[in-house]
Amino acid sequence: EIVLTQSPATLSLSPGERATLSCRASQSVSNSLGWYQQKPGQAPRLLIYDASNRATGIPARFSGSGSGTDFTLTISSLEPEDFAVYYCQQRSSWPLTFGGGTKVEIK
Amino acid sequence: EVQLVESGGGVVQPGGSLRLSCAASGFTFSDYAMSWVRQAPGKGLEWVSVINGGGNYINYADSVRGRFTISRDNSKNTVYLQMNSLRAEDMAVYYCARRLPTVGSNYFEYWGQGILVTVSS
Repeated sequence: EIVLTQSPATLSLSPGERATLSCRASQSVSNSLGWYQQKPGQAPRLLIYDASNRATGIPARFSGSGSGTDFTLTISSLEPEDFAVYYCQQRSSWPLTFGGGTKVEIK
Repeated sequence: EVQLVESGGGVVQPGGSLRLSCAASGFTFSDYAMSWVRQAPGKGLEWVSVINGGGNYINYADSVRGRFTISRDNSKNTVYLQMNSLRAEDMAVYYCARRLPTVGSNYFEYWGQGILVTVSS
């Protein structure tokens, strides 16, 4: 099973700041990694797939990069609605696995 | 508009059984694999099971293999999760989810609202 480790666990930032979230895989997943956003009481929302492709309707301030074992989700300038928990997920092999999440909170 | 609506959750004793349903609409159901993903209270996401469009490929997380059974009825646009021998650690919100349109692109573009399963005596 591929283990995904996200860091930091919590990121405290102000609106307008840049957020950089990390996801590290226990073995190479090539570019088969996605990112989700989840707000309290809501289902997750797909942001990025295959490392760097934005899903339909996702604003351009969200970008993904990386390959192999190290991946980054960047939010270029935080909007008030971006404060949430973010998860990475790999589809390289079964079972599909998720990272433990990074909470982006208002500083 | 794609919609996924789960039902069948509730409170069950340890060792008991429950069947979840997920009714889909707004897309050609038989063209898509469907998955169940769960989230324990205050915890992260865990993929549980997948079934392909024809129902002939099925996979499970090790944590539920042998206790849970996924199935689908394409005539009813519904996917099911039969959960037996439930444990305290199975308590979670269960989501059904549909992947992106590209076959093999196992990221979840659409999610249901989630249904709570509580395992407690």
